[in-house]
Formats: sequence, structure tokens, C-alpha cells
Amino acid sequence: DVVLTQSPLSLPVTLGQPASISCRSSQSLVYSDGNTYFNWFQQRPGQSPRRLIYKVSNRDSGVPDRFSGSGSGTDFTLKISRVEAEDVGVYYCMQATHWPPTFGQGTKVEIK
Amino acid sequence: QVQLVESGGGVVQPGRSLRLSCAASGLTFSNYGMHWVRQAPGKGLEWVAVISHDEVNKYYADSVKGRFTISRDNSKNTLYLQMNSLRAEDTAMYYCAKVPPGDYGMDVWGQGTTVTVSS
Repeated sequence: DVVLTQSPLSLPVTLGQPASISCRSSQSLVYSDGNTYFNWFQQRPGQSPRRLIYKVSNRDSGVPDRFSGSGSGTDFTLKISRVEAEDVGVYYCMQATHWPPTFGQGTKVEIK
Repeated sequence: QVQLVESGGGVVQPGRSLRLSCAASGLTFSNYGMHWVRQAPGKGLEWVAVISHDEVNKYYADSVKGRFTISRDNSKNTLYLQMNSLRAEDTAMYYCAKVPPGDYGMDVWGQGTTVTVSS
């Protein structure tokens, strides 16, 4: 199975400051059709996961533009340009290029 | 908008069975594949199973293969997960999630239903 390794696992941030989460894959996530089926999810406390980013860099509808995804191959990054209080929660990367789908361990974002 | 509502969770003894349901609304259910994903208390997300829109293809995580069965009734807009021979390690919140068009992951998630396996 593809292993996704997130860092850091805990991220204390100051309101209004940027934040960045890395996700590294044990193998390339480029599918045979040329797409990279790599996503980022946000899970706020007590809520179900919500997809933020799909296919590396595409924001889902309703996701604030302070969230951005980038990367290629095996290295991916989620950036929050200016952290707001509502961004507190756990962020997971996930790949669906290789079977079975796998998730990273999660990165807990909290306010300093 | 698309809504997924899970039900059927509860407390069950090891070795017993439970069937989860996921009722879908706001979409043409028969057009989409569906996943089950679980989350043990305080832990991360674990993919459990997926079923194609027409029920032809079904795939399972190794941890549940042979014990769990995913199915669907497109006439009722409902997804199921039959869980047999339950173990303590199956204790988790179980989420259903929709497969987005042109993708293999999941976009919309339900609110989850809790399964506790304990004697």
C-alpha cells in the first residue's frame, strides 16, 4: 500500500499567520491517465471530514481562497495563507491513484 | 444539495453482526460509486470498502475482507455495510462518502455512525 507521511503532525499557528503542511508519498501518485488523484481534507473538531483540495491543487466549492494545494509526483503541500480561528482541526492528505486508497496520519492545527 | 445520512451503529459484542445504512439525497444515487471509511477513537481515517455505481465492482481493505460486505439498493438510494464477526478493533465511527465524477476518491461525506464492539 502507498504510505503517505505528513509533517508536521502538530502545527501551532498564530492567527493571521501562514501555515504549511507537507505530505510525502512512498511512490509517485501520477496515474496512467496523467492525472494525480491526491486530495486534502479538513476535519474540524466533532465533525466529519470535508474535502478542501482535489487533484493536487483544485479547491472545492466554498473553500476559502486562503487554502492552496501544490506539488507533484511524491511531494505535496497544503498552504493556508492567513490562518483563521475556524481553520482549527486535523488535516489529512489522501491518495486514490493506487489501490487501496490511503490517508496520511493527519496534522493537527491549533492556535497558539 | 447532496446529503448522506448514516444509521445502524451501536454497541455489539465481539463475534456478532451489525448492518450500517447510508441514505443519500440530493443526487442521482445510481450514478455514483460509494465508499465506507472509518475512524477509530482518537485515530486517523481508514478506508474500508468501495462499490461501483452499478454494484458490479466491490473492493475491501484487507482488515475487513471476508467479514464485511458492501452493497447498495439504487431504488432506495441507500448504501449498506454488513459487518460480521466483529472485533474490538472494528470499533470506530463509520462514514459513507461519495465518489466524485472522474475521480477515485471521495468528496461528500456523511456525519457518521458509531460502532462499538465490546463485551
